[in-house]
Amino acid sequence: EAEVAQSPRYKITEKSQAVAFWCDPISGHATLYWYRQILGQGPELLVQFQDESVVDDSQLPKDRFSAERLKGVDSTLKIQPAELGDSAMYLCASSLEAASNSPLHFGNGTRLTVT
Amino acid sequence: DAKTTQPNSMESNEEEPVHLPCNHSTISGTDYIHWYRQLPSQGPEYVIHGLTSNVNNRMASLAIAEDRKSSTLILHRATLRDAAVYYCILSNTGNQFYFGTGTSLTVIP
Repeated sequence: EAEVAQSPRYKITEKSQAVAFWCDPISGHATLYWYRQILGQGPELLVQFQDESVVDDSQLPKDRFSAERLKGVDSTLKIQPAELGDSAMYLCASSLEAASNSPLHFGNGTRLTVT
Repeated sequence: DAKTTQPNSMESNEEEPVHLPCNHSTISGTDYIHWYRQLPSQGPEYVIHGLTSNVNNRMASLAIAEDRKSSTLILHRATLRDAAVYYCILSNTGNQFYFGTGTSLTVIP
């Protein structure tokens, strides 16, 4: 079964440094999501793309976070500068279309530790 | 975004059925009810979804109340591999998924 690929699996960075995460969704999936999950909590939606366009980034801290999906396929999430509170799991998910009956498929995430 | 309410934790004995409840009193007519589960150190995994009618698949069954204000995920025979956090989520027409804190299921051997 096709999977959502994320890299790196783990990342340790010092505060004030820049960090980037990469996601390759399932082939043909038009909708891509980035979530942040703090330990013990449910995933929090950061940004949703439909093809290369941002559909929802209302919860993305835009002063330090940016996301792009230039060709409507893979995507990059960047944090600059990283803060201690950014330590979390960053999850990418994709779905075939932006329809309410289209399930999400998640990758296994990038575990970020900011020191 | 429509909200869901789930118990924080539940326990079940191995090989017995498990009924995981979810309340969603503010659901709108076009919202689908989705269930996902998450094992430690993994991304959430799709379990099942439905709109109005009860649904069955190889993993579980979903029972939806007639007024759609609540639903129940049914695992017919719990195994140790079913120990996970289960999330009940409503998806709107834009396919936006907002997760709560879910129910942590413990399966007792």
